[in-house]
Amino acid sequence: GIQVEQSPPDLILQEGANSTLRCNFSDSVNNLQWFHQNPWGQLINLFYIPSGTKQNGRLSATTVATERYSLLYISSSQTTDSGVYFCAVTRPGGSQGNLIFGKGTKLSVKP
Amino acid sequence: KAGVTQTPRYLIKTRGQQVTLSCSPISGHRSVSWYQQTPGQGLQFLFEYFSETQRNKGNFPGRFSGRQFSNSRSEMNVSTLELGDSALYLCASSFSRGAGELFFGEGSRLTVL
Repeated sequence: GIQVEQSPPDLILQEGANSTLRCNFSDSVNNLQWFHQNPWGQLINLFYIPSGTKQNGRLSATTVATERYSLLYISSSQTTDSGVYFCAVTRPGGSQGNLIFGKGTKLSVKP
Repeated sequence: KAGVTQTPRYLIKTRGQQVTLSCSPISGHRSVSWYQQTPGQGLQFLFEYFSETQRNKGNFPGRFSGRQFSNSRSEMNVSTLELGDSALYLCASSFSRGAGELFFGEGSRLTVL
């Protein structure tokens, strides 16, 4: 099956710093989403980005489907950005409800 | 509009008992999926329901089951609970089964003693 690898596994930043999180996938994929898991466990949608580039405030994401990777950029990080960031994909022909998740990047932003 | 709602949020059971978790999807969404999250295994797909039919099932034993009602609400059941079933159970909904976003609820945190 499809493998989803996220890097780095852990990241510690000082408030105000920028960061790039990477998601590599082993095969062609359909849906690709980035999530932020808050301290209470809920997965918050950040981007639905099977290809191309999107921006939302301090966050932006780029997916290069032909090269099988996606990047999540966080600029001017804030302590509230702390948490675990997940990348998830579906295989071609698969249902959007059947996401395959990476192991996540745990981000800690220090004041 | 209201998001995905899961109940109960927290529960404690003992080994051998069974548990039922409930999920109400976003209004208009017809597909509901369930995931289990544990520190060791991460986020794993349990099953997906669409139009009251199970469409996909992950690699979990038969003790894990679910169903979907005509109003798209879904329940999952775990029978004969084991210590390893302690986890965060997340429900997600989407409008259809094709391309598009999946939206998650806050989860039900199950502890098995």
